[in-house]
Order: sequence, then structure tokens, then C-alpha cells
Amino acid sequence: AQKITQTQPGMFVQEKEAVTLDCTYDTSDQSYGLFWYKQPSSGEMIFLIYQGSYDEQNATEGRYSLNFQKARKSANLVISASQLGDSAMYFCAMREGQRGAQKLVFGQGTRLTINP
Amino acid sequence: ETGVTQSPTHLIKTRGQQVTLRCSSQSGHNTVSWYQQALGQGPQFIFQYYREEENGRGNFPPRFSGLQFPNYSSELNVNALELDDSALYLCASSSLGREIGAFFGQGTRLTVV
Repeated sequence: AQKITQTQPGMFVQEKEAVTLDCTYDTSDQSYGLFWYKQPSSGEMIFLIYQGSYDEQNATEGRYSLNFQKARKSANLVISASQLGDSAMYFCAMREGQRGAQKLVFGQGTRLTINP
Repeated sequence: ETGVTQSPTHLIKTRGQQVTLRCSSQSGHNTVSWYQQALGQGPQFIFQYYREEENGRGNFPPRFSGLQFPNYSSELNVNALELDDSALYLCASSSLGREIGAFFGQGTRLTVV
């Protein structure tokens, strides 16, 4: 079975600094997808970034980038120039099953707090 | 803001009762998934519907059931509610075969007393 591990329960960062949120995964599948979601206090899960297992380059979306190290089975999220609005829970997730089926296995999450 | 809407946003039920949660999916998406998120935890997959058929189920008992309608909207039904069913229930829509991030609704917070 697939498993996602996020070892940082909480992170505190000064505004405008960069922050790295850790994620390691375990799977026996050759083809898989990795996702990061942001969950503000309102509860909605907001899709941030995606990395496919066969993608050779690290994914980037604006201030978000994914540091994908396949051999180490890690998929860390990097947020550059953090903003107060980045304060939220962040979840790493892996697709399980058929491509696009979006059966996601989530980690426990990291609570990120941006200090002014 | 996604096109996925859930209703109601909050709900309080008594142990033993039944509840129905609703979800309208993003336009153009044909797959709906439901997740349960207990306080302080990551979401857990309940089940998924594709073209009105169940397309996978997580480790949840049969008293959790669902429906998907021709317009791709969906319902989650929970019978014989237990206190541990108290959680945020999230609906996510996506398109089978396309590797995109699933779009989630704002969730329904269910409290069982």
C-alpha cells in the first residue's frame, strides 16, 4: 500500500523567507503522481502543484516548486518569498490507482505559520 | 475558487441517525470522490464514482454509501451515525484519464452528538 509521510507537524517562517515542506512517499508502482494541497482554515483543499513520476524536470507553479528526488522517494514543496496568506495546512498526496482516478492518499499535513 | 459546491456546510446529528451530504462537481468533470477528514488528520478516501458506478472504495463500512447522478452530482449517505463519524467530509471532482489536480469543495462539517 502507498504511504505518505510528512514529518513536520508545524513550521514557523518569517514573511518573505523561503520555506521547504518535507514529504516522503512509499510505493511499489512505477507510475504515480504526487500532489500538494493547501488547506486554509475555511476547509477547502486547494490544489497547488503536481509531479508525475516520469517527469524529468521539477514542477513549478508561480512561487511553488516541487523538489522531486525519485531515488530518495521525496517530493518536498518549496514556497519562495512567503506571504502572510500562505499560513495554512499543507498536505502532500499520492495518486493511487488509475491515472486521473484521483484516489489520493494523503499525509498528516504540516501547519505553516508565516510571521510578519 | 473551484466549481465544486457542497451542502450543507455544517450539520449536527444524533448518534444512530442517518445523514445525506450533497456535492455538485466541476463542469466537465465525470468523476466524484468523497473523503473523510477527522480533526488534525489528513483526508481519508471513502469512495469514488464514475459514470454513476462506484469505482473504488476505501476502508469504510457499508453504512457509508453513495450515488452519482447523470449530471455528475453526487450524494454521500451515512446510516447509523456514530460519534467517530464526526469529521469534515470533502467532495472532489476530476476527470478519469486526465492527470490533473482534483478540485475540492469547501466541505461539510458533520458533528455527531
